[in-house]
Order: sequence, then C-alpha cells, then structure tokens
Amino acid sequence: NAGVTQTPKFQVLKTGQSMTLQCAQDMNHNSMYWYRQDPGMGLRLIYYSASEGTTDKGEVPNGYNVSRLNKREFSLRLESAAPSQTSVYFCASTRVGGFEGYTFGSGTRLTVV
Amino acid sequence: GEDVEQSLFLSVREGDSSVINCTYTDSSSTYLYWYKQEPGAGLQLLTYIFSNMDMKQDQRLTVLLNKKDKHLSLRIADTQTGDSAIYFCAESLSGYSTLTFGKGTMLLVSP
Repeated sequence: NAGVTQTPKFQVLKTGQSMTLQCAQDMNHNSMYWYRQDPGMGLRLIYYSASEGTTDKGEVPNGYNVSRLNKREFSLRLESAAPSQTSVYFCASTRVGGFEGYTFGSGTRLTVV
Repeated sequence: GEDVEQSLFLSVREGDSSVINCTYTDSSSTYLYWYKQEPGAGLQLLTYIFSNMDMKQDQRLTVLLNKKDKHLSLRIADTQTGDSAIYFCAESLSGYSTLTFGKGTMLLVSP
C-alpha cells in the first residue's frame, strides 16, 4: 500500500520554465490537496479538490494551476516558474467526512533559479 | 477566522518529558491533530482528539485538550533522540472542512 506518491522528489527549474508536479493516491480518498512549505511560514494551502471534478483555490493560488485527472491523481502546474516558488511541495489526501486527518506524500523539493 | 498558534522551538534532554503547546481560535473546531515531520520527509499523523474529549493517551504520547482556553498540548514521555522533528498542530471544523495547520514546533532532543 503506497499511500500518497509524489513525483519528482527534486527539481531545479530556470525562471520562466514550466513543470507539472504529479500526485497519486491509492487509498480511494475523495479529497486531495496541494501545500507548500517554507521556513517560518508553516504549511500553506495552494489548491484543493474536495472530490473528483472539483477544484478550489486555497490561501496562495497565484502562479499555479491544478488538474484533478481522476479520483487517484491530482497534479500541480507551474506555468512560468519564479524564484518565489522555490519551496517544498506536499500533496495530501483524505476521506470526505472522515476524521482521520490527511495522509501526506513525501514532498517535492523545487528550486527556481 | 481560524488560526493556530504554536511556539517555534523546544529543546529537551533525552529521557525528559516534552510538552508542545498549541492554541486555536475557532471554538467550533471538532477535530484536533498532531503531526510529526522528520527531516526531509512528509508529515505523519501522530494522533488526533475529538472536541468532546479531554485527554487521549497512546503509549508515550498524551494529548490534553482544554476547550475553555482553546489550548491543546502534546506530551511525549521519556523523549528520545528519534523524537527530534517538527510537530504540527492542526484543527478541523468537520470531516468536510480543510485542516488549518500551525507553523510547527521544532523539537530538539540532546543526548
């Protein structure tokens, strides 16, 4: 049982390049989330998908887009990367109506130069 | 609005007890969580408590909830060097709400 899988684990981009961070879960969870983690800032929600077919903005959505490809997969896209997007990105998932909290992936460390 | 506050840093000696504190602002919070993040890893759920409970114990971990003061604490007994990590407090209004996380408390355990 893999849980939440994120790819890639590390990435270096040049300013202006684009890339997509991939996330997949095998727990039949309905809801999926993208967070970024920066020193001193804790976790900040970028986008989330409460269920397949829906997506909503979180606290810091600017510069990002998401796609809920199916129930298992939720991708995060940076169209034109900026140094301010250097961060560690975490994907998480949970069961709608559940109380077990989120299951997190191991993260993608992104550096934009 | 929702807000979760934690102290940023705690240092203890191996074998001592650690107490990590958290305060939250929304009295409607139904579920409260503690997560652990080891270096280079994702967040791992340690334990959770419902708002209708005052205390929950799980091996070396004790969670205390004071609803009146909106204060949550995590006590780790006999702290080990492997407990060194960042600990996040989080709250949720319901099973249909997003979690709100604190900024995390870095626990450093010295031999």
